[in-house]
Amino acid sequence: DSGVTQTPKHLITATGQRVTLRCSPRSGDLSVYWYQQSLDQGLQFLIQYYNGEERAKGNILERFSAQQFPDLHSELNLSSLELGDSALYFCASSLDPGLAGLGGANVLTFGAGSRLTVL
Amino acid sequence: DAKTTQPPSMDCAEGRAANLPCNHSTISGNEYVYWYRQIHSQGPQYIIHGLKNNETNEMASLIITEDRKSSTLILPHATLRDTAVYYCIVWNNNDMRFGAGTRLTVKP
Repeated sequence: DSGVTQTPKHLITATGQRVTLRCSPRSGDLSVYWYQQSLDQGLQFLIQYYNGEERAKGNILERFSAQQFPDLHSELNLSSLELGDSALYFCASSLDPGLAGLGGANVLTFGAGSRLTVL
Repeated sequence: DAKTTQPPSMDCAEGRAANLPCNHSTISGNEYVYWYRQIHSQGPQYIIHGLKNNETNEMASLIITEDRKSSTLILPHATLRDTAVYYCIVWNNNDMRFGAGTRLTVKP
C-alpha cells in the first residue's frame, strides 16, 4: 500500500457519459498529479495541483477537468467520453518541497490506478 | 519531448547485475535524476534519485557522471520480479513528464 488511494479501481461506461475518478493523497503530501496511460502506451502527464491550486498542466483534453479540495483529495472529471479515453488513470502525490519553499527532491508516490473502459 | 534518452529494451540474466543507462545531457544544475519502474500496469514505483553524488538504497544504486549528463541505475542481483519498464526522469516543477523508459526483461 503506497498510501495513495484511488477509487474506483475499475469503471465501465458508455460513450458520451461522464465519470469522476477520486484520489486521496498520502498523508502530509500537498501536491496531486494525474496521469493517463492508454494500452501499451506511456504515462501522459495531465495536470498537477498544489494545496488546492492548479500548478502545471500537461496533455489534458478540454473534456477533462480536475480539482483539489480543501482536504487535499482530488477528483478528475472526464466528460463526453470516447472510446479512446479507455485507459489507466494514475494519481500521484508528493510534498513538493520546491513549492513548499524547502528545496530538495520531489518524490512522487503513485496510487494503484483506476482502469476506465469506455464501450 | 522528454529530457532523457533510454534504450527501449534490455535483457538481463537472473542473479546478474542489471545496468540501465540514461542520457540527460540538458539537465540543469538544480535538477534531480529520478528512477521509477512500472511492473505490468501497476502504479509506477519510486526506486531512487540523485543530484550529483552516487546513491544507494535497498533497491538499487545510482551512478551519476561527473558532468551529470548521464547516469546508470544498477540492480545488483536481478530477479524475475525485477522485470518491468524502468523510467529515468528529470523533472522541473512545470514538466512532470515520463519518457518511454527501458523495458527490462530478466531471464532465468
